[in-house]
Amino acid sequence: DTAVSQTPKYLVTQMGNDKSIKCEQNLGHDTMYWYKQDSKKFLKIMFSYNNKELIINETVPNRFSPKSPDKAHLNLHINSLELGDSAVYFCASSQEANEQFFGPGTRLTVL
Amino acid sequence: QKEVEQNSGPLSVPEGAIASLNCTYSDRGSQSFFWYRQYSGKSPELIMSIYSNGDKEDGRFTAQLNKASQYVSLLIRDSQPSDSATYLCAVKDVTGGFKTIFGAGTRLFVKA
Repeated sequence: DTAVSQTPKYLVTQMGNDKSIKCEQNLGHDTMYWYKQDSKKFLKIMFSYNNKELIINETVPNRFSPKSPDKAHLNLHINSLELGDSAVYFCASSQEANEQFFGPGTRLTVL
Repeated sequence: QKEVEQNSGPLSVPEGAIASLNCTYSDRGSQSFFWYRQYSGKSPELIMSIYSNGDKEDGRFTAQLNKASQYVSLLIRDSQPSDSATYLCAVKDVTGGFKTIFGAGTRLFVKA
């Protein structure tokens, strides 16, 4: 199926751990994004890559590090997890700056 | 700070009625506007995009844009219980190029 996929779907971990979330799109899009949606459902951009180049880097703690090995993949690594990192993280892709297609989300719970 | 404002709701309408969802934005130079629907526990999905002043219709959905008033709306005709969801207004940041700013969403509840 053509889609944006993320793994894992759920992630439960202890404070202080390091974890990664992976995203892949097979839509042929050239731009990928990471969003964080908190408990109040507010969807906030974190990072965006266009053809493997970082183009959006919002005010995010440097514990968060994105990496795009190619334009179909965008991963997110989080170091030293904190309670406040608990949220749903969505990956999305688009062709240029047009409509975005979202992955299913990764629900991260930090204990 | 560039903002997109929506009434958080919940907006409750009876089945078969018209649901009207509103959104205002702060960046006068914005060019592209989107409506996404998000069911509880699911990811946002695109419903409509609109780029020019006026109305754009797609099935039961009509998006309306008024750039002079910095206002965009979504009308849902013949509302169904399956339309119950959170509707997110999104505006592309002109200066940011690829940055889209999302509103906090309006929860819609359609009563059977």
